[in-house]
Amino acid sequence: GESVGLHLPTLSVQEGDNSIINCAYSNSASDYFIWYKQESGKGPQFIIDIRSNMDKRQGQRVTVLLNKTVKHLSLQIAATQPGDSAVYFCAEIENSGGSNYKLTFGKGTLLTVNP
Amino acid sequence: DTGVSQDPRHKITKRGQNVTFRCDPISEHNRLYWYRQTLGQGPEFLTYFQNEAQLEKSRLLSDRFSAERPKGSFSTLEIQRTEQGDSAMYLCASSLLGKGNTGELFFGEGSRLTVL
Repeated sequence: GESVGLHLPTLSVQEGDNSIINCAYSNSASDYFIWYKQESGKGPQFIIDIRSNMDKRQGQRVTVLLNKTVKHLSLQIAATQPGDSAVYFCAEIENSGGSNYKLTFGKGTLLTVNP
Repeated sequence: DTGVSQDPRHKITKRGQNVTFRCDPISEHNRLYWYRQTLGQGPEFLTYFQNEAQLEKSRLLSDRFSAERPKGSFSTLEIQRTEQGDSAMYLCASSLLGKGNTGELFFGEGSRLTVL
């Protein structure tokens, strides 16, 4: 079965609000996590990543939080814009420092931003 | 555009026919991946290459599926005797595995297969 999953399949927010997308994982050996954004008809696009030796990482308008104790990952998007509307996937990699770079994706959360 | 390119973007075929997809990775990338994605699901790993060597294949890759990367550059994914269950988006990604980089995967736009 899948080792990466999402708490909410859909999320609807107003433009300008902050969005939080959550993800649970079950593989304790996973040591590298990535959030991808996928717009309709396009391939997944890298947003931000985090290694297991960190608990927070910030990018431009996005922040990823990692709680290894409860195996939980979240993506926070500040001041959400209509262009942020997409499906968001979390993905994990086990043993990223070795030869395995195979991503395991969760099912995704559809984010809809209302103007 | 120097990103990952896939061809064709869309393919409609009849059950039982063979189809082939091509992926051109980012030129200096040494790893190439194939994923399959069905509607509403996350991408599922099929196989990957390091240079021309195919290092891992998923159980999803039945004997009707074959992937090649003959010169360590572009790759092809062939599906023989297609079935309706093969209908999906086939995504290619590439990455550069080496010192000083994260090995981030860059995805192409995908090849959508519809089997009638």
